[in-house]
Amino acid sequence: NAGVMQNPRHLVRRRGQEARLRCSPVKGHSHVYWYRQLPEEGLKFMVYLQKENIIDESGMPKERFSAEFPKEGPSILRIQQVVRGDSAAYFCASSPEIYTDTQYFGPGTRLTVL
Amino acid sequence: QKEVEQNSGPLSVPEGAIASLNCTYSDRGSQSFFWYRQYSGKSPELIMSIYSNGDKEDGRFTAQLNKASQYVSLLIRDSQPSDSATYLCAINAGNNRKLIWGLGTSLAVNP
Repeated sequence: NAGVMQNPRHLVRRRGQEARLRCSPVKGHSHVYWYRQLPEEGLKFMVYLQKENIIDESGMPKERFSAEFPKEGPSILRIQQVVRGDSAAYFCASSPEIYTDTQYFGPGTRLTVL
Repeated sequence: QKEVEQNSGPLSVPEGAIASLNCTYSDRGSQSFFWYRQYSGKSPELIMSIYSNGDKEDGRFTAQLNKASQYVSLLIRDSQPSDSATYLCAINAGNNRKLIWGLGTSLAVNP
């Protein structure tokens, strides 16, 4: 079975552009989590989504960031008008419908803002 | 504020020794406990989960949970240089699936 897939693996944007990060969870998983990790820092929770619903977005910056997980297709983390401080690794994790809080991580997207 | 605390390290052990990694947490209602390993530049990978007090063994890894003292530890026996990584402790203390993460302990196993 394929694990969590993220694309692109590396993304370069200039200040003011938009960044779209995609996450396809493990087949059959309906819960998705997004994390951000700055160089040499810990994982920071951003948002937890279930199909078509945002469950917890307490870690999302109030402006410029949004996330969705539609009924069909991957989860999308969208960053509008990127700034240099958005440069980080963004990880997606998923967990299955049957109750378990174990999360399985994708390889991450490395965003660089020039 | 629910918190998970880990010593940042680096923890340095010689090859073949036992590495002991510790994690304390603040919420007594915590139910699920996880250890993840993260190599530099890579994503976290699950090593072990533990839900009940006591020890849980998986190969060279043993997780130990003590809910009364609010700590969870990870022992790595016969440490290998390939075990050199950052070890992350994560805990679910609530009713949803959101995990609270420690900042990680850096482990260096010296040949």
